[in-house]
Amino acid sequence: EVQLVESGGGLVQPGGSLRVSCAASGFTVRNNYMSWVRQAPGKGLEWVSVIYSGGYTYYADSVKGRFTISRDNSKNTLYLQMNSLRAEDTAVYYCAREITCGGDCYYFDYWGQGTLVTVSS
Amino acid sequence: SYELTQPPSVSVSPGQTARITCSGDALPKQYASWLQQKPGQAPVLVIYKDSERPSGIPERFSGSSSGTTVTLTISGVQAEDEADYYCQSADSSGTYPHVVFGGGTKLTVL
Repeated sequence: EVQLVESGGGLVQPGGSLRVSCAASGFTVRNNYMSWVRQAPGKGLEWVSVIYSGGYTYYADSVKGRFTISRDNSKNTLYLQMNSLRAEDTAVYYCAREITCGGDCYYFDYWGQGTLVTVSS
Repeated sequence: SYELTQPPSVSVSPGQTARITCSGDALPKQYASWLQQKPGQAPVLVIYKDSERPSGIPERFSGSSSGTTVTLTISGVQAEDEADYYCQSADSSGTYPHVVFGGGTKLTVL
């Protein structure tokens, strides 16, 4: 059974740092595209970052230069290191497995339960 | 930047058919998926590749595509279908496929 379990959220001051984790089971993280998607309180979904099976990483413009996505193959775990946090980064952060079925097809088939990150003084 | 446009809300009575649309210029070239999100829960995939249904999703959920619009249809709506629904696709015009979500549609079952 595929499972994604996020952890590491919490309260952090503006300008601070936080790392959230996503422990996967039932499949191998390094063989898949893995993304982080966030949802600000009462708002819609926003894609944040992706790491491809080949190791390439990409980021939304809103987090580029501040966030870093990575994975630990030995722990089958995905990470998001968040630096220089701002109030507008406050959101529930979800990890999700991204499926690509060719250059014209991308979708998320499994999601974690999310972890709340609050940026406030 | 590329956008997917959804109506903010749709209301239907139980047993009726709900249709939620999603419009985007790249939809003729990129498949879309649909996600269901109930309050306090993570999103759940209900349709992918415009019209494919994952295992475990009831048959009353279906998807279709026509030009720059994709549509999620829920036939015989039940009270448990009340949720937010998001379309998702990708913008492949840049150096890498950039995932995009619609703004979401709140489905109310009257």
